[in-house]
Amino acid sequence: GAGVSQSPRYKVAKRGQDVALRCDPISGHVSLFWYQQALGQGPEFLTYFQNEAQLDKSGLPSDRFFAERPEGSVSTLKIQRTQQEDSAVYLCASSLAWGTGGNTGELFFGEGSRLTVL
Amino acid sequence: AQTVTQSQPEMSVQEAETVTLSCTYDTSESNYYLFWYKQPPSRQMILVIRQEAYKQQNATENRFSVNFQKAAKSFSLKISDSQLGDTAMYFCAFMKHGDEKLTFGTGTRLTIIP
Repeated sequence: GAGVSQSPRYKVAKRGQDVALRCDPISGHVSLFWYQQALGQGPEFLTYFQNEAQLDKSGLPSDRFFAERPEGSVSTLKIQRTQQEDSAVYLCASSLAWGTGGNTGELFFGEGSRLTVL
Repeated sequence: AQTVTQSQPEMSVQEAETVTLSCTYDTSESNYYLFWYKQPPSRQMILVIRQEAYKQQNATENRFSVNFQKAAKSFSLKISDSQLGDTAMYFCAFMKHGDEKLTFGTGTRLTIIP
């Protein structure tokens, strides 16, 4: 596709429900990142994939968070037993080169999935 | 761990004027990259400008330029001839060389007044 596509754009969940957020990166992009952006804050790193390999998941806040990219393209971020503190915008970004943009440092971001946990 | 500080939560400026957004960072690394990203209302974040720490020359991209002061750990963004389309949240970000994650500041909301 022309850009990074995320779905759903908006998700309301009751506390305790499981949610799944999808990211479709730019075709051919090797690297894929998930960031969490709380209201009024900058994005915070969650996890990073190089193709299908999850190379860094140090930012995942708890074992309720799980991400996968089984075929090296589409990625899913799953949050189990959602809590109110999980309310945030979840941003997906992709990059053509290894790591954060290689020579350019440019990430291409999606519009985000806004999760509200009631 | 790296930290990025943006001390101006909000700024506004008249169209066609020049505005400077501030960013300071703290790191013990000597080789790293600094970025300014722009997040327009309800739209995706895009890269504005990038600076490599080992380059002394300040980066420029059309109306956007930076003032990189490595010793002071300061990385400000100057927007010249501001336009209505510059209205957005601006995030300063840091990346250690060889790493893959960005560390973002809390952002500055910039409003261009017609």
